[in-house]
Amino acid sequence: QVQLQESGPGLVKPSETLSLTCTVSGGSMSGYYWSWMRQPPGKGLEWIGDIYVSGNTNYNPSLKSRVTISIDMSKNQFSLNLSSVTAADTAVYYCARYNSGWYYFDIWGQGTLITVSS
Amino acid sequence: DIVMTQFPLSLPVTPGEPASISCRSSQSLLQSNGYNYLGWYLQKPGQSPQLLIYLGSIRASGVPDRFSGSGSGTDFTLKISRVEAEDVGVYYCLQALQTPFTFGPGTTVDL
Repeated sequence: QVQLQESGPGLVKPSETLSLTCTVSGGSMSGYYWSWMRQPPGKGLEWIGDIYVSGNTNYNPSLKSRVTISIDMSKNQFSLNLSSVTAADTAVYYCARYNSGWYYFDIWGQGTLITVSS
Repeated sequence: DIVMTQFPLSLPVTPGEPASISCRSSQSLLQSNGYNYLGWYLQKPGQSPQLLIYLGSIRASGVPDRFSGSGSGTDFTLKISRVEAEDVGVYYCLQALQTPFTFGPGTTVDL
């Protein structure tokens, strides 16, 4: 069965770029959108953006100027870069698979906590 | 952006009793194909969210039949016919009609 695993630095300094990778195992990336979401401590969920296997991307307008999502199908990975981070970007970041035929997120990673602090 | 609201935000429950959560969207999620682009997710303590219901009323694979989704347009309901202890957590509705996808604020269900 398909599984997702986020990996990243854990701690990022203010004004720097947050970089995360999601590794897809147990299946192909073809035919799906691959998404990033985040959840500040004790708060709700925010959709950051997604990428299709063709490379087409969609971003949340609230973050669009700072976000880049990329995909490397040869490695079964997709990545998130979020630039110019502040303390407000501290959150658990999740990667997830989006089924655009049935309009749901069916597989999620376990999440990784990213803290922005000097 | 489509704004999602939920109520109540906190719901104490008793095992064996029914429970209900409401979700409202700022614009209709009903499409011409007859589907409402609304999903329900449960985030159990310390876990990632998991899919319960999609397209308004379709139970995801493996989801117990005590969970049901209903509603259309802008008003939706998630019902648990008989709550079990494992159902505690935060329930989110999500609109998948248009990007940016947006979640409701969450309803915390606890015993």
